[in-house]
Amino acid sequence: DGGITQSPKYLFRKEGQNVTLSCEQNLNHDAMYWYRQDPGQGLRLIYYSQIVNDFQKGDIAEGYSVSREKKESFPLTVTSAQKNPTAFYLCASSQDLREKLFFGSGTQLSVL
Amino acid sequence: GENVEQHPSTLSVQEGDSAVIKCTYSDSASNYFPWYKQELGKRPQLIIDIRSNVGEKKDQRIAVTLNKTAKHFSLHITETQPEDSAVYFCAARAGGTSYGKLTFGQGTILTVHP
Repeated sequence: DGGITQSPKYLFRKEGQNVTLSCEQNLNHDAMYWYRQDPGQGLRLIYYSQIVNDFQKGDIAEGYSVSREKKESFPLTVTSAQKNPTAFYLCASSQDLREKLFFGSGTQLSVL
Repeated sequence: GENVEQHPSTLSVQEGDSAVIKCTYSDSASNYFPWYKQELGKRPQLIIDIRSNVGEKKDQRIAVTLNKTAKHFSLHITETQPEDSAVYFCAARAGGTSYGKLTFGQGTILTVHP
């Protein structure tokens, strides 16, 4: 199941703190994505990137930020402006925006 | 933007029966419809997908049908087995100005009883 690595597996955030979730892929994929998974709500798109140094907001981008400085890396920062950050975060990549997604194993973020 | 509705939210069947999960989408420009299976504590994995120029696709016990006119697509699992128990998600990929965005349905919890 290699190819996309997310870390850490579990993360705890204190109030007012920014935290960064890591996502690395060695599949040479151009496109990368961040989804948030809440029980009963499916997967909701936070941000996606078609190519290095470019990214687009998804459906729930408020309170999150991303960067795409390298093709293989797409870190997600959950800022203090995100008032309900507790969720399971999934990173994914695809050859390009037309192709199928491969998911990482996810990061469970909880608030202390 | 695209909106994907998935039904039912839970589905319970006996081993050997068939299971059908249905999704509707709102954006007529959507052109790609994958189905993902997520076992408990694991990552979603693609099980089958279909593009808008095809009406049906089969892969062993799994099939997907697409009705572009009605804007709905369905997953069919025949001869279900306990290992088919998982959460299944449908998705639709937008066209037009939202090109590339993959919108997921809310998920269906499938339980196959031995």
